[in-house]
Amino acid sequence: SAVISQKPSRDICQRGTSLTIQCQVDSQVTMMFWYRQQPGQSLTLIATANQGSEATYESGFVIDKFPISRPNLTFSTLTVSNMSPEDSSIYLCSVEGQLGDTQYFGPGTRLTVL
Amino acid sequence: DAKTTQPTSMDCAEGRAANLPCNHSTISGNEYVYWYRQIHSQGPQYIIHGLKNNETNEMASLIITEDRKSSTLILPHATLRDTAVYYCIVRSPSGSARQLTFGSGTQLTVLP
Repeated sequence: SAVISQKPSRDICQRGTSLTIQCQVDSQVTMMFWYRQQPGQSLTLIATANQGSEATYESGFVIDKFPISRPNLTFSTLTVSNMSPEDSSIYLCSVEGQLGDTQYFGPGTRLTVL
Repeated sequence: DAKTTQPTSMDCAEGRAANLPCNHSTISGNEYVYWYRQIHSQGPQYIIHGLKNNETNEMASLIITEDRKSSTLILPHATLRDTAVYYCIVRSPSGSARQLTFGSGTQLTVLP
């Protein structure tokens, strides 16, 4: 399994600002994923981030709102732009294991937008 | 659309086996059954996965019916720390469908 860390672990932000969330993995991985979990809800995939290519966004999520960077095989960032209270969620990154047969998740970033 | 159906909640006595059912009647031949759990507000934790044979690891056992339309996750000796939301997920091993699609899951509460 992979060890995944996220920064920050939580934050409280003002409406209209942006927050960049970092995801660091202890080994090189090809596929990384970003999920959102709204209060009381299940996880929803935002985008898939592969190193060296543009992120692939799921329906309902756009690059202008959630720009993603993937500069190398161990790191990715997700930015939540022009935030509103509806963006209050837990944001999680995950990586695909070396065998490609499962995903491992980071601890999440709890975001509250006032 | 979710490919799996799970009960919303279940209770289990501490020390007893917890049996969590999942229906996946539309599963395709190459799709695997995965189980994850999420302890309150933490990142989901991988438990086990299987294709058609029963699987066992240090955390749990996975029993898949012969027609593969349903499965059961078994925690043999539940503890209070097993209280979590358990997600049953059907996943393709390749292509864009290899992503995990989470449903609502089952809230398992282990009672002392």
